[in-house]
Amino acid sequence: QKEVEQNSGPLSVPEGAIASLNCTYSDRGSQSFFWYRQYSGKSPELIMSIYSNGDKEDGRFTAQLNKASQYVSLLIRDSQPSDSATYLCAVSPEQGGGNKLTFGTGTQLKVEL
Amino acid sequence: DGGITQSPKYLFRKEGQNVTLSCEQNLNHDAMYWYRQDPGQGLRLIYYSQIVNDFQKGDIAEGYSVSREKKESFPLTVTSAQKNPTAFYLCASMGRLRTEAFFGQGTRLTVV
Repeated sequence: QKEVEQNSGPLSVPEGAIASLNCTYSDRGSQSFFWYRQYSGKSPELIMSIYSNGDKEDGRFTAQLNKASQYVSLLIRDSQPSDSATYLCAVSPEQGGGNKLTFGTGTQLKVEL
Repeated sequence: DGGITQSPKYLFRKEGQNVTLSCEQNLNHDAMYWYRQDPGQGLRLIYYSQIVNDFQKGDIAEGYSVSREKKESFPLTVTSAQKNPTAFYLCASMGRLRTEAFFGQGTRLTVV
């Protein structure tokens, strides 16, 4: 079983719709969870971080965490063509810097006009 | 401006040759990481370092070596023992109090 699993996609949504991206992880001791966006040929950039169960909203983005189910998701409201990218889920075992940070394989999102 | 600088952006390696990828950060971050990304794949951890003069192997360390002599620098050497080194290499750093990792712009290595 992979440590962090994501559906590779592509996930296609129409412009203005809600895109839902999912991630599961295997280590129950994981404490820190991140979503990164990566455009083709570029380095990843941080979109959201979440540490506690529940929802965290930032603009059009909402991260959801359920530690009991070992599940973290990212919702993108009012999807725009500029949101077309690969979204990487990352998990770390502890809060505080310096720990092993493990990434999933990413989900490719395509927002269609 | 604070950030992470990787160099070179593109690198070509001949068979049997060692090459070193540079990663420098001026964010005063303690932790630094090296990842490898193959086409259409996620990031796989090669090595990481939480403090100067100390580093740990990641999931795919074979054929790679690192050093951490200075807080600001974490160079990665791709040795001739790495049989399939063509990939996109990403360096990242993380501060002590915050767990978000910030990435350099990457080095694309090609074997010729």
